Amino acid sequence: GAGVSQSPSNKVTEKGKDVELRCDPISGHTALYWYRQSLGQGLEFLIYFQGNSAPDKSGLPSDRFSAERTGGSVSTLTIQRTQQEDSAVYLCASRSLLGNSPLHFGNGTRLTVT
Amino acid sequence: QQQVKQSPQSLIVQKGGISIINCAYENTAFDYFPWYQQFPGKGPALLIAIRPDVSEKKEGRFTISFNKSAKQFSLHIMDSQPGDSATYFCAASVNTGGFKTIFGAGTRLFVKA
Repeated sequence: GAGVSQSPSNKVTEKGKDVELRCDPISGHTALYWYRQSLGQGLEFLIYFQGNSAPDKSGLPSDRFSAERTGGSVSTLTIQRTQQEDSAVYLCASRSLLGNSPLHFGNGTRLTVT
Repeated sequence: QQQVKQSPQSLIVQKGGISIINCAYENTAFDYFPWYQQFPGKGPALLIAIRPDVSEKKEGRFTISFNKSAKQFSLHIMDSQPGDSATYFCAASVNTGGFKTIFGAGTRLFVKA
């Protein structure tokens, strides 16, 4: 079936503007994750959703960042009042919770804040 | 305690050689250790994974060696090929409770033809 889909693939925005990044997980995957990858850097955990449980927001870097997941499927990551240091690739991943199933990543949204 | 430390940051290997990437962790609750491979412009994809109850797992040219007492694990790529040139991430997670996966900083591998 289809993999994890992220949109837009690229986003250029001016400092101070709000942006919304979208993630469509694999159908049936109950767990959804957001990671941030800065240029040449590792994967920084942002937030994790599992079913109807309260999300694990422990990785969100500031209160300018928020995320929601509607209907247990599509997720939106919102960054308010963007700053230049927010420039990065934002990766979404989903997984089934059956056994040791791996994370399935989308190709990310490359965000550039000018 | 949630960190996974990965080395080296970058690696250049001759075609046909062995590529070795090392990772170390602190949290003994981790019970699943996957390796992901990432090509430019793409998201990471699972390469191979191991649980701590085995010391080695091999899939084709890729082998994970796991040392539970030292809290270290490594990826070996035998007969490295130019197509293996990518960024490799080790990771660790606790597959009960939170399922949060923590990633190492990544290793950029370049295999010279």
